[in-house]
Amino acid sequence: EAQVTQNPRYLITVTGKKLTVTCSQNMNHEYMSWYRQDPGLGLRQIYYSMNVEVTDKGDVPEGYKVSRKEKRNFPLILESPSPNQTSLYFCASSPLAGGPRETQYFGPGTRLLVL
Amino acid sequence: KNEVEQSPQNLTAQEGEFITINCSYSVGISALHWLQQHPGGGIVSLFMLSSGKKKHGRLIATINIQEKHSSLHITASHPRDSAVYICAVRFSGGYQKVTFGTGTKLQVIP
Repeated sequence: EAQVTQNPRYLITVTGKKLTVTCSQNMNHEYMSWYRQDPGLGLRQIYYSMNVEVTDKGDVPEGYKVSRKEKRNFPLILESPSPNQTSLYFCASSPLAGGPRETQYFGPGTRLLVL
Repeated sequence: KNEVEQSPQNLTAQEGEFITINCSYSVGISALHWLQQHPGGGIVSLFMLSSGKKKHGRLIATINIQEKHSSLHITASHPRDSAVYICAVRFSGGYQKVTFGTGTKLQVIP
């Protein structure tokens, strides 16, 4: 089954404790992206990746890191989480942007609470 | 600033009604997506448009590049269509960033 998986689905942590949210896709997609969703602000892009070892900032990259060492995985790293990073996070993948098959497949979301 | 605006923010309809959700953007785009977010939170991609019109079942999406405007239509609406509908745009200029509208919350009443 074609899918994007995220782990964990729910996470409660404390300020400053490093954490990683994993994202994996099994569709051999080139493009992967992380978004956060907040009430009243909607979805906003954090980072995206066009392919292995190619990443770039979205609109809200501050406080986050990513890496793309393998095509299927795109982890989101919070080196020192703060309460303003409490949010619902989505990972998504698609065939390379700009082609006729450009359709994003979303993971189920990770709900993060930073105390 | 590259912006995406959706209207209305909230929409309540009776079952069977024809529904239109609008999306406007400020500058040229490479692609526009319509997404559906279910009450449980999951997000599904409905359409990707770069020009013209697409249809899937009771859903129709159109885009007018000159007017910088897209519409999502739902014919013969049903309570299972109740969801948040989100417009997402990839602006032209060689960038792969995606910018989202704030969404339209649709409730279809039996």
